[in-house]
Parts: sequence; C-alpha cells; structure tokens
Amino acid sequence: NAGVTQTPKFRVLKTGQSMTLLCAQDMNHEYMYWYRQDPGMGLRLIHYSVGEGTTAKGEVPDGYNVSRLKKQNFLLGLESAAPSQTSVYFCASSPLNQPQHFGDGTRLSIL
Amino acid sequence: SQQGEEDPQALSIQEGENATMNCSYKTSINNLQWYRQNSGRGLVHLILIRSNEREKHSGRLRVTLDTSKKSSSLLITASRAADTASYFCATKRGGSQGNLIFGKGTKLSVKP
Repeated sequence: NAGVTQTPKFRVLKTGQSMTLLCAQDMNHEYMYWYRQDPGMGLRLIHYSVGEGTTAKGEVPDGYNVSRLKKQNFLLGLESAAPSQTSVYFCASSPLNQPQHFGDGTRLSIL
Repeated sequence: SQQGEEDPQALSIQEGENATMNCSYKTSINNLQWYRQNSGRGLVHLILIRSNEREKHSGRLRVTLDTSKKSSSLLITASRAADTASYFCATKRGGSQGNLIFGKGTKLSVKP
C-alpha cells in the first residue's frame, strides 16, 4: 500500500498564480485533512473532509479552497497565490477517532 | 490557535540516555496523541492515550497523561541516533469530528 501520496513534492509559483495540490489515499479512510507547517508554528489545519462530497474549514482556511469529489482524493487549491502561503503542506487521512496517516508533504514557494 | 505546547523546544542527549518531552494543553480532551517527524518527511503516529488512561507503553516509549494538570509526557528510553526527529503532541477534543490540534514540537537530537 502506498498510504497517503501527495503531488507535487516541490513547486515554485509567482504571486497571483494558481495551482492545485493533490492528495490521494488508498486506505479507504473517511476523513482527510490539509495542514500547513511553518517554522516554529507546528501544524495548522486548513480544511478537512469527513467524507466524499463534504468539506469544512479548519483554523486557517483563507486563501484556500478544497474539493473531495472522490473518497480517495482531496484537492487543495490556491486561486491567487501570495508570498504568505509559502509553506510545507501536509495531507493526512484517518478513520474516525483513529490516528492520522500523513503524506510526505509539498514544499511550496511563492515569489 | 495552538492547543498543545511542548517543552522543551529542543533537547540534545547522548545515545543510551533517556529523553523526556512534555506537553501541556488548555481544554478538555478526548485523547492525546504523539507523533514523530523525521527531517523532510511527514508525521508518523507513535502512540495514543485516551482521557481515561494514565499511562501507556509501546516498546521504548512511555506516555503519561494527567488530565487534572492538562499535561502529558513522552519518555523515550535508551535513545538511539535514529530517534533524532521532532516530536509533536496533538489533542483531540470531544465532538471535534476527528480534528487534532498540534503543538509546536520538541526537536530531539541524539548524538552517537
């Protein structure tokens, strides 16, 4: 099993550009999450989903959109990238009330 | 907002020594989890302790939970160079639909 796979692994964008980060899990988990990790800040939840077709806002949702059209995929979109969105983005998945499984992250730089 | 706060922020020890990391949190919880993150990688779950448990063991790991003090500790015994990583506590509040709130982490360095 691959677990949680994130693509791409690295990306450099210019301010104002848009992009989509893809997360795929093969464990049939209901819950999926997007976090960002910044130096000295730990992980902060951006958006999450409790099942196919559902999404909800986390702690820092502004500037991001998400979609969960298929149970195994969770997409994170940046419509108009800003330098403040330079970060490492992690996707995770889990069954209800069970530990989360993380991907290895997408390192995003916005110039 | 951060729920958990780890202490210390950084810890450097020699191989074979024990490492203790602490986590404090603010609100009542359903469970508390510890994760490890190796440099450049995602987080890996280590251990989960429920609010009605006081101590849990897994191999060289020992976790305690004191809900009256809203604190937890992670003890790694007989540390190895491969234990070098950042360690995060994460709390789950009841009714939070599975959401975890992570602390800022303790960076552990184990010197051979």
